[in-house]
Amino acid sequence: GAGVSQSPRYKVAKRGQDVALRCDPISGHVSLFWYQQALGQGPEFLTYFQNEAQLDKSGLPSDRFFAERPEGSVSTLKIQRTQQEDSAVYLCASSSTSGGAGTQYFGPGTRLTVL
Amino acid sequence: QKEVEQNSGPLSVPEGAIASLNCTYSDRGSQSFFWYRQYSGKSPELIMFIYSNGDKEDGRFTAQLNKASQYVSLLIRDSQPSDSATYLCAVNDGQNFVFGPGTRLSVLP
Repeated sequence: GAGVSQSPRYKVAKRGQDVALRCDPISGHVSLFWYQQALGQGPEFLTYFQNEAQLDKSGLPSDRFFAERPEGSVSTLKIQRTQQEDSAVYLCASSSTSGGAGTQYFGPGTRLTVL
Repeated sequence: QKEVEQNSGPLSVPEGAIASLNCTYSDRGSQSFFWYRQYSGKSPELIMFIYSNGDKEDGRFTAQLNKASQYVSLLIRDSQPSDSATYLCAVNDGQNFVFGPGTRLSVLP
């Protein structure tokens, strides 16, 4: 069965460029999470969707970060005017349960490098 | 600020030994606890989860939870070189996951 997929796997952007990162969750999973993982650190929560509703965006570091999941399946994380400190791996995870109580299954991540 | 703490390591154990990984958390309202393994350059993969105080065993892995002490651990018996990875502790309060920084485990052949 298909797991969580993310694209692109690697993205290099020049400072100031906009980027869009895509996540395809496991089919039927209602919950979708985005995390940012810096080198040598654990994943840090960015935002959470239950179906198409963005229920928590408290982890988004600035208003340059925006996420959407318009049809309750695929999600896109957009970063506007990228900065060097945005360089990290962006992980997407999905869960079959609503809320954050259930097991989360991670995608392979997108490694973003901002030059 | 909810915090999850782990010793960053590296923790080195000889092949066949027991590896003990520890995690403490700050939020007493935490409800569920997860251990993920992450190989270098790969995404986290679930090893096991635990909700209740006590021990939970799954093959070579045992998770131990003590809510009064706000402590959760992972024991790996008969450690193998393939167990060498970073182990992430994740704590869930019913809404969000908070991850620790991970402990790097090295199993020496």
